[in-house]
Amino acid sequence: GAVVSQHPSWVICKSGTSVKIECRSLDFQATTMFWYRQFPKQSLMLMATSNEGSKATYEQGVEKDKFLINHASLTLSTLTVTSAHPEDSSFYICSARDPLSSYNEQFFGPGTRLTVL
Amino acid sequence: LAKTTQPISMDSYEGQEVNITCSHNNIATNDYITWYQQFPSQGPRFIIQGYKTKVTNEVASLFIPADRKSSTLSLPRVSLSDTAVYYCLVGDRGNQGGKLIFGQGTELSVKP
Repeated sequence: GAVVSQHPSWVICKSGTSVKIECRSLDFQATTMFWYRQFPKQSLMLMATSNEGSKATYEQGVEKDKFLINHASLTLSTLTVTSAHPEDSSFYICSARDPLSSYNEQFFGPGTRLTVL
Repeated sequence: LAKTTQPISMDSYEGQEVNITCSHNNIATNDYITWYQQFPSQGPRFIIQGYKTKVTNEVASLFIPADRKSSTLSLPRVSLSDTAVYYCLVGDRGNQGGKLIFGQGTELSVKP
């Protein structure tokens, strides 16, 4: 099946700094990628839809100026958490749709654990 | 996107068959039913997808009644490694850019 990678797998940063998370589709081209956030013992919450070459679409309640998304190529989307604070500590997961997949399912990355001190 | 309801948790023993039912009363005509599996600190993994009746693959079976207002994921002869959270999602594969809205999921615990 299609493979999606994320980098880094975990990151610890100080409050007030910015952190960039990369999401790559390794063996397919993804015009659309998605970013989720998951707190402990909770479900995944969709943050935004990232479209190659255009602005991301954010879900209601997600601050677009705080969570910057860039989808500059068909295989790479980045999420930058700006001026991170402890409440931003979470598990961030990206996914991508393979347009050639029979089920049009999303392939998820392994996630990035962000800890803000 | 149709709302889904699943049991919060289930317990089972190794070798048993596990059936997880999902309710989706407001499913639309174009909606498909998709199940994902998630292990702790990992991204979800696609298990199975169906539209109606029964679908089977090497991992699971999916049973969908005629009214499509519910579906049942069946895991045959579970093992300890099947301990995970299982999510049922309903949506049109084409519209809304294919985005997924996850419900609470079912936490399956398989015991020896």
